[in-house]
Amino acid sequence: DTGVSQDPRHKITKRGQNVTFRCDPISEHNRLYWYRQTLGQGPEFLTYFQNEAQLEKSRLLSDRFSAERPKGSFSTLEIQRTEQGDSAMYLCASSLAPGQNTEAFFGQGTRLTVV
Amino acid sequence: AQSVTQLGSHVSVSEGALVLLRCNYSSSVPPYLFWYVQYPNQGLQLLLKYTSAATLVKGINGFEAEFKKSETSFHLTKPSAHMSDAAEYFCAVSGVQNDYKLSFGAGTTVTVRA
Repeated sequence: DTGVSQDPRHKITKRGQNVTFRCDPISEHNRLYWYRQTLGQGPEFLTYFQNEAQLEKSRLLSDRFSAERPKGSFSTLEIQRTEQGDSAMYLCASSLAPGQNTEAFFGQGTRLTVV
Repeated sequence: AQSVTQLGSHVSVSEGALVLLRCNYSSSVPPYLFWYVQYPNQGLQLLLKYTSAATLVKGINGFEAEFKKSETSFHLTKPSAHMSDAAEYFCAVSGVQNDYKLSFGAGTTVTVRA
């Protein structure tokens, strides 16, 4: 297993376009998290899944954002009608479920630039 | 609710000198605390975590942190800085053990002078 992988690594899009990012977690990890990191700030929690169930969404996740994890494996994060304020690094992490001594492993992120 | 505050957005140290990064937390429940490191254009790597087993936590790359409940602090130290320690460091908190829905601080950038 090569760890958490995210695709694409970089995305430049025009304002108003839709974009979709993919995250492939470590295979046996049933928890998957999405974070957003803007320049000069720490990551902010967006949402997380346990298997295919989306258990929590941050209020930062506006109606233009949607995340899925259809088969409990990979996840996608879609942003509709992108705005310049959406420019950020989007990080994905995966872990085993709580109750087990576990560590969350982060992917390298997808850097989104909205022009 | 949980939050952390990192004191100092930039720290510059000489190679071989002590590295001290400050983190204070606020939590309504017993906190679980973490330090992560991020190299440019990379994801985050866990340095160490506090899960109430021991107040002095040793991590990777020679880093350690001490949980002080009376001071609501979890400062990160390394006795002797190496050039490879130049990176951004984040303190984070969770209210549930092994739950990685984390609240992060704003980060501290460390530069190491030769």
